[in-house]
Amino acid sequence: AQTVTQSQPEMSVQEAETVTLSCTYDTSESDYYLFWYKQPPSRQMILVIRQEAYKQQNATENRFSVNFQKAAKSFSLKISDSQLGDAAMYFCAYSAQGGSEKLVFGKGTKLTVNP
Amino acid sequence: DGGITQSPKYLFRKEGQNVTLSCEQNLNHDAMYWYRQDPGQGLRLIYYSQIVNDFQKGDIAEGYSVSREKKESFPLTVTSAQKNPTAFYLCASTSGRAYEQYFGPGTRLTVT
Repeated sequence: AQTVTQSQPEMSVQEAETVTLSCTYDTSESDYYLFWYKQPPSRQMILVIRQEAYKQQNATENRFSVNFQKAAKSFSLKISDSQLGDAAMYFCAYSAQGGSEKLVFGKGTKLTVNP
Repeated sequence: DGGITQSPKYLFRKEGQNVTLSCEQNLNHDAMYWYRQDPGQGLRLIYYSQIVNDFQKGDIAEGYSVSREKKESFPLTVTSAQKNPTAFYLCASTSGRAYEQYFGPGTRLTVT
């Protein structure tokens, strides 16, 4: 079974600084998708960024970028120029391609942004 | 506006009662999912449905039941057999092509 591990239960960053959240996963599949979701205090799940495993190029979305290391099964999220609105729980998730599209989530990292 | 609605936002029930959580989507998505979230835990899959009139158990289906009679609706019933029903419940849907799941705002269920 696929598993997703987030080893940092909590992280903090100063406003305008850069922070990296870690995620590792375990799978025997070769084709899959990886996601980072943000859950602010409102508890609405918001997709931050998505990476297709067959793409070597790391995905970027404005201040958010990933470091995808397929061989190491690592998928970290970098947040640049951190803003107060970035404070939230961040979940790493995995989905196998061509299947039920169900997501397997890590336990999350709580990010605090200090002014 | 297209989206997923879950109602109610907060739900309170007495132990031993069944309760049904609503999930409706107008995104024309084929697949729908129910997740449970507990403090300090990620989201865990309860049930999912990829097509009308068909659904599969997820990782923690015991004590729950679902139906999928319409494409846009996927209600979840928390039965009295669920030992620890107090949790935050999230519904999601996907078109399947982008593998991106869209989430509803969630229902906080408290059973006392």
